[in-house]
Amino acid sequence: DVKVTQSSRYLVKRTGEKVFLECVQDMDHENMFWYRQDPGLGLRLIYFSYDVKMKEKGDIPEGYSVSREKKERFSLILESASTNQTSMYLCASSSLAGGPYEQFFGPGTRLTVL
Amino acid sequence: TQLLEQSPQFLSIQEGENLTVYCNSSSVFSSLQWYRQEPGEGPVLLVTVVTGGEVKKLKRLTFQFGDARKDSSLHITAAQPGDTGLYLCVRKLIWGLGTSLAVNP
Repeated sequence: DVKVTQSSRYLVKRTGEKVFLECVQDMDHENMFWYRQDPGLGLRLIYFSYDVKMKEKGDIPEGYSVSREKKERFSLILESASTNQTSMYLCASSSLAGGPYEQFFGPGTRLTVL
Repeated sequence: TQLLEQSPQFLSIQEGENLTVYCNSSSVFSSLQWYRQEPGEGPVLLVTVVTGGEVKKLKRLTFQFGDARKDSSLHITAAQPGDTGLYLCVRKLIWGLGTSLAVNP
């Protein structure tokens, strides 16, 4: 089974802190994604990556950056956390062979910014 | 702009009832995925539909893709409490807001 793990299930940070959210997948998938999920707004794509060191902006990249130095790891960085970044963050991966839109998700990180 | 409309937004039913939820768009889909998300967890892929008119079955779940590939439906027969969750449709990387289903024992 594909496994996507995220570094923390719950995280509490202060406004202005730099925050790192880590995601690791163990199925050699080419594509990796970061979403945030908010009530009434659904899942919104922040960034995705289709290869090592490659990244593409999603619908809401402002205030975020990403890093993909290794194929299995995709990191989301909040350079200076703000209260409006309080959300559930979901990481996903998919393969080109299996269908790039058939995504496997991690359990999510619920981030609270105080 | 919300490109995928899901209805109903909320549904609460008794165990054993049947239900249908819908996913609609004004645009033609090339393919569409359905996911289920349980509280506090990530979405889990249920099915991909590709061909207009296609019907796929997954145990008590039946997925249908409209002939014109602008709409899709998910029908659950004899719902069970384990079916409780948020049902999401997605086209490429655009997600619907989901139907939140509660099946009461």
